[in-house]
This record gives sequence, structure tokens and C-alpha cells, in this order.
Amino acid sequence: KQEVTQIPAALSVPEGENLVLNCSFTDSAIYNLQWFRQDPGKGLTSLLLIQSSQREQTSGRLNASLDKSSGRSTLYIAASQPGDSATYLCAVRGTDNAGNMLTFGGGTRLMVKP
Amino acid sequence: DAGVTQSPTHLIKTRGQQVTLRCSPKSGHDTVSWYQQALGQGPQFIFQYYEEEERQRGNFPDRFSGHQFPNYSSELNVNALLLGDSALYLCASSFEAPPSTGELFFGEGSRLTVL
Repeated sequence: KQEVTQIPAALSVPEGENLVLNCSFTDSAIYNLQWFRQDPGKGLTSLLLIQSSQREQTSGRLNASLDKSSGRSTLYIAASQPGDSATYLCAVRGTDNAGNMLTFGGGTRLMVKP
Repeated sequence: DAGVTQSPTHLIKTRGQQVTLRCSPKSGHDTVSWYQQALGQGPQFIFQYYEEEERQRGNFPDRFSGHQFPNYSSELNVNALLLGDSALYLCASSFEAPPSTGELFFGEGSRLTVL
């Protein structure tokens, strides 16, 4: 059974810092990995998707990497801003044989202080 | 282009009642999945519908059932509500045929409170 862990559970940083959020998963048989952002009481916004054959994806100030063999992904946020404050969720999608639903981590709650 | 839409946004029920939640997928998407998110936790997979059939199911009791309509929209039904069913229910849609990436797009959710 796939298990996804996110560290740290919460993070508070001053504005302008570069930061790294970590995600680990136990089963390397994945189809892809998605990073999401969730504002309080809201739905999930897809940030980046990395296919199992890819090593990284970039969008603006965000960069996500994937090391499937070690079961790890990182989300790098450059020059953080107060508007980046939210919960960030990592989710892995299994292959068809393993069940292609998303398995989520518990999230990292990020606070960027002005 | 409308994204995934869900209704209602909030609702309050009492124990033992039944509830129906609705979801319209993103335009062009044919697959709908439902997730339950308890406060402070990551979402948990309930089930997935494709071509009007339940294709996969997570570890949820039979009180949770669903349906997909010919226009790809979907409903989630929960019978005999328990206090522990209080959660944010999220609908996600995707297009699964290759060369799709299989990216999932989520709606804003339906917040269910059971008293």
C-alpha cells in the first residue's frame, strides 16, 4: 500500500526566503506525482505535475523534482511572498496495476511573514 | 472554460440522514473521482467513475455510493450519516486516454457538517 509523507508539517519563514518542501513515498511504481496548493477551506489547485519518466518541472518561481528510485520529491519555492501562504500537498498516482488513484501526503502548512 | 464545479458548497445534516453531492467535470474530461478530506489531513480516495461505471474504490463502506451520468457529471451519495462523515468532499476530473498526462483538476469542494 502506497504511503506518502510530507516534512515539515508546518513552516514559517520571512518574506524573500527560498524554501524547500519535502515529499517521500514508499512504492516507486508510480505513474506521476502532482503538487497542489490549498487555501483554507478551499479546493486544490494543481501547481506542477511530473511524469514518472521526468526528473523535474518548473513553473515561474516553483520547481519540483522527482527521484523515483529513492521515493522522493521536493518542491522549491524561490523568493517566497506572503501570497504563497497556504497548505502544499504532494500526491502520487499509481500505475494501473497498482490502482491509479492519487495518494496524498498530510501537507505542509506554509506561512510567509511580511 | 469552466473548471470543475461542485454543489452545494456547504450543508448541514443530522446523524442518520442521507446526502447527495454533485459534480460537473472540466470541459473535455471523462473521468470523475471523489475524495474525502478531514480537517487537517490530506484527501482520501473514495471512488472513481469512468463510462458511467465505478472503476476503482478506496477503503470506504457501502454507505458511500455514486453515479456518473452520460454527460460525465457525477453524484456522491452518503447514507446513514455519522458524525465522522463531517469533511470536505472534493471532486476531481481528468481525461485518461493517451497521450493525456492524467493530470487531475479539483473543484472547490462541498463542506459537509453532520450534527
